[in-house]
Amino acid sequence: DAGITQSPRHKVTETGTPVTLRCHQTENHRYMYWYRQDPGHGLRLIHYSYGVKDTDKGEVSDGYSVSRSKTEDFLLTLESATSSQTSVYFCASRGTGNSPLHFGNGTRLTVT
Amino acid sequence: GQQLNQSPQSMFIQEGEDVSMNCTSSSIFNTWLWYKQDPGEGPVLLIALYKAGELTSNGRLTAQFGITRKDSFLNISASIPSDVGIYFCAGQEGSQGNLIFGKGTKLSVKP
Repeated sequence: DAGITQSPRHKVTETGTPVTLRCHQTENHRYMYWYRQDPGHGLRLIHYSYGVKDTDKGEVSDGYSVSRSKTEDFLLTLESATSSQTSVYFCASRGTGNSPLHFGNGTRLTVT
Repeated sequence: GQQLNQSPQSMFIQEGEDVSMNCTSSSIFNTWLWYKQDPGEGPVLLIALYKAGELTSNGRLTAQFGITRKDSFLNISASIPSDVGIYFCAGQEGSQGNLIFGKGTKLSVKP
């Protein structure tokens, strides 16, 4: 499986604080993604990147920003965390063409 | 927006039984993927389908890409306790499009 590492694995933070989640992949994949997973909603795309410094919004991007300064790293930032952003966040990556998507093991974020 | 309808939402079966789940879409996809997620982990790819009508197996798992390109099914034969988990389908438009995920089928297996 693709070497995708997410950090931290768990985080508890207070409402209004900034939070950054990190994703690191070792497969030299061009595309990287951030999803959130919530009961009843499945996996929803937050933001994605199609190359260094190239990012775009997904389905649920409000309240989130991303940055990709290197091929291997994709950061997700919550500028001011809210309780509605309590969720499990998954990073994923894939190569070009029809190569399939591979996921990290997730970050469980709790906003109190 | 695009939606994938995955059914059933949950299944509770006896060990040894066969399992079938499917996904349908209002959109045409060029790729169908099936993933399994265990508790506390990320989804893991089971089978990837790239061609309408394609039937692909991976051990006891078999998946098909529907002829209309709007549906796919996954079968698990002779289920075992470690098959427990949530199974997701995902469809992709074109080779660069983002994936659309179904909401998952939660499988429980009784020994």
